[in-house]
Amino acid sequence: QLQLQESGPGLVKPSETLSLTCTVSGDSISRSNSYWGWIRQPPGKGLEWIGAFDYSGRTYYNPSLKSRLIISVDSSRNQFSLKLSSVTAADTAVYYCARELVPANNFDYWGQGTLVTVSS
Amino acid sequence: QSALTQPPSASGSPGQSVTISCTGTSRDVGGYNYVSWYQQHPGKAPKLMISEVSKRPSGVPDRFSGSKSGNTASLTVSGLQAEDEADYYCSSYGGSNNLLFGGGTKLTVL
Repeated sequence: QLQLQESGPGLVKPSETLSLTCTVSGDSISRSNSYWGWIRQPPGKGLEWIGAFDYSGRTYYNPSLKSRLIISVDSSRNQFSLKLSSVTAADTAVYYCARELVPANNFDYWGQGTLVTVSS
Repeated sequence: QSALTQPPSASGSPGQSVTISCTGTSRDVGGYNYVSWYQQHPGKAPKLMISEVSKRPSGVPDRFSGSKSGNTASLTVSGLQAEDEADYYCSSYGGSNNLLFGGGTKLTVL
């Protein structure tokens, strides 16, 4: 059974860097027909795609976040991470990691999500 | 690119059918058959209900169906049940390795 689990600080100060890790069990993040990505949801609002990476490690970023975003991979631990720099209150959201099937570009397995609040 | 456009709310009585629209452009919804629909109950992660416009993943009731015409995709829920009350989001490949979501529709079962 595939499971994803987000982890990281729940509170980040403005202008600092938000860092989250997704640990995957039950599947390899090196599979060739899957991407692995991040999605966020501000409280009471809709979903926003953040970015993803493929089996070769190539990354794909939301253009609106690209300048502040790094997604990295640790295949040996079957984990991937998100770093979002220079955060503001607008980055407060529930952050989800998920498996993305290609070429359909849909997310079939999701983590439970973790709330990150940006506040001093 | 802007988010896809969904009506903020929809409603229907038990047993009825309801359709939720998702409008994009020729560069996303209209340009690719990669539209998905997700159901999200409060406090829960989204659940994939429809992929590639009209395909139902295993375990999704056949009361849920998807379609597309031009730049607008639609999700139809037939035979509404109380447990269908949730938020529904569409998504579409937007070209250039970009993915777009709709703003979400709150479905109320009256």
